[in-house]
Amino acid sequence: DQQVKQNSPSLSVQEGRISILNCDYTNSMFDYFLWYKKYPAEGPTFLISISSIKDKNEDGRFTVFLNKSAKHLSLHIVPSQPGDSAVYFCAATERRDDKIIFGKGTRLHILP
Amino acid sequence: KAGVTQTPRYLIKTRGQQVTLSCSPISGHRSVSWYQQTPGQGLQFLFEYFSETQRNKGNFPGRFSGRQFSNSRSEMNVSTLELGDSALYLCASRGQGAYGYTFGSGTRLTVV
Repeated sequence: DQQVKQNSPSLSVQEGRISILNCDYTNSMFDYFLWYKKYPAEGPTFLISISSIKDKNEDGRFTVFLNKSAKHLSLHIVPSQPGDSAVYFCAATERRDDKIIFGKGTRLHILP
Repeated sequence: KAGVTQTPRYLIKTRGQQVTLSCSPISGHRSVSWYQQTPGQGLQFLFEYFSETQRNKGNFPGRFSGRQFSNSRSEMNVSTLELGDSALYLCASRGQGAYGYTFGSGTRLTVV
């Protein structure tokens, strides 16, 4: 049973435009959500997170939106840059010390 | 400060053999988690150790085991290797009270 779902395996976006990556979850007990970015041959790196008590968190070009009623979150990257081409993983956890569950990832291609 | 260090980076083993992977967490981090990444499956949680005790476990067969030492370093062992065990194995650590992980670069295991 996949608790964190990223239904788009890949996404292509023109440089300078907005990239929107989506994520759905099934466990209503999740209270913290994270996005990680991964380049080939490297480990994932933390990008941005959001607590379930918020509906938006912004950090520079990256904004995460959380819709708890729909059990949906999205990552917006504006403007998209070539270095943003990577695999993005959505993740969630129930408690501070609990395991983090990851989605299968979305590969983002930024086109010149 | 040094990041999460995983050794070796690459490993080739024969089916039926066993393998041990090593992880040194960030200094001061007592929680160490292991994930398996395969194409199309994302990051699948193996187990988490905290202060030498396994705190969480994923849905992997008993051939996958781990341990943590008093200095927080961790090892993961896979016995009776199968072709399907070929994957990138990622170790991550986090500080007490933190939500997010810091990942190492991973060990690429190929079983032939």
